Amino acid sequence: DVKVTQSSRYLVKRTGEKVFLECVQDMDHENMFWYRQDPGLGLRLIYFSYDVKMKEKGDIPEGYSVSREKKERFSLILESASTNQTSMYLCASSLRDRATIGGYTFGSGTRLTVV
Amino acid sequence: KNEVEQSPQNLTAQEGEFITINCSYSVGISALHWLQQHPGGGIVSLFMLSSGKKKHGRLIATINIQEKHSSLHITASHPRDSAVYICAVPNYGGSQGNLIFGKGTKLSVKP
Repeated sequence: DVKVTQSSRYLVKRTGEKVFLECVQDMDHENMFWYRQDPGLGLRLIYFSYDVKMKEKGDIPEGYSVSREKKERFSLILESASTNQTSMYLCASSLRDRATIGGYTFGSGTRLTVV
Repeated sequence: KNEVEQSPQNLTAQEGEFITINCSYSVGISALHWLQQHPGGGIVSLFMLSSGKKKHGRLIATINIQEKHSSLHITASHPRDSAVYICAVPNYGGSQGNLIFGKGTKLSVKP
């Protein structure tokens, strides 16, 4: 069963901590994405990557960085966690082809609380 | 950039009712996704459609490309249908394969 795996379902971190959220996919997808989801705002794109070592900013990259050293793994890093980064974080992957949105698969999400 | 509007934002129904969720977008697209998110967070794809209608069990999705509008219908609704339903369209101004999402419709079906 193909899937996208996020390393943690729930995380509680302290303000100022460096936080790593890990995402692994086993579908050989080129594209990987990190979103955050907040009530009333829907899914917002933080960063995406279309190839190993490649990354592009999404709509809300401030306070975040990413790493993609291997095709299957895409990490989201909160350099210094703040309370306004408390949210649900969702990873997704897809095929590269722009013409189709088939093959778009989500992880189960990580609910991060920063105290 | 495509704008996606969903309505209603929240919907409460009695078991057995027929439900309709609407999605409008501003820029012409090749296909539209309907997604379902249950409490707990994981998102699954229900439909991808580019024209006409698709049916899967009690779920029906329709799209009108000319009017830039899609609807998701649930017949004979059941409490297990309670979830957030999200429509998504390609972001042609963004990366290859990136999607733009509606804010979601939270459906609650009461027994």
